[in-house]
Amino acid sequence: DIQMTQSPSSLSASVGDRVTITCRASQRINSYLNWYQQKSGEAPKLLIYAASSLQSGVPSRFSGSGFGTDFTLTISSLQPEDFATYYCQQSYTTYTFGQGTKLEIK
Amino acid sequence: EVQLVESGGGLVQPGRSLRLTCTASGFTFGDYAMSWVRQAPGKGLEWVGFIRSRAHGGTTEYAASVKGRFTISRDDSKSIAYLEMNSLKTEDTAVYYCTRVRGVVPAAARTSGYYYSMDVWGKGTTVTVSS
Repeated sequence: DIQMTQSPSSLSASVGDRVTITCRASQRINSYLNWYQQKSGEAPKLLIYAASSLQSGVPSRFSGSGFGTDFTLTISSLQPEDFATYYCQQSYTTYTFGQGTKLEIK
Repeated sequence: EVQLVESGGGLVQPGRSLRLTCTASGFTFGDYAMSWVRQAPGKGLEWVGFIRSRAHGGTTEYAASVKGRFTISRDDSKSIAYLEMNSLKTEDTAVYYCTRVRGVVPAAARTSGYYYSMDVWGKGTTVTVSS
């Protein structure tokens, strides 16, 4: 099974900051990597698919990059509504989620 | 409006069974694979399983943690997906989400083929397994 490891597990940042979250796969997954945002008490929401494609309706301050085993989600300028938990997910073989990164207000 | 609504959750004793229902609206249900994802209290997301569309054989895949106990099925005439859960354990306690699985061919992809993601999620239904 493919394991997904995110870092950091939690992160404190301020509005306006640039934030990067990393996701590493235990084997090569090409670009079969998705990112989701989950706010407290809500269902997850798709942000990025195929490693770098922005889901319709998602603000352009969100971007994704990477290929193979190492991937990043970047938020260029944090907004108050971005404080949430972020999950990566591989879709190379079935699906596996990372453990999540909780983004908190500093 | 594209929507998924889960139902059927509740309190159930260990070893018993429960069936969850996911009712879809706003899109051609039969064209999509459907998946179930769960989240234990205070924990992360765990993929449970999915069912392919009829055009792709209607076959299923499951996570190792539920294989042999859980079964996913679909009724395209009613736009409903089901999750039948048998031999429930306390560790199955979670919010269960139904998701739509979308396959696309991104213009910027470095390798060819379809890329799958869960683009629509229901609000979830809570299953508590306890004596």
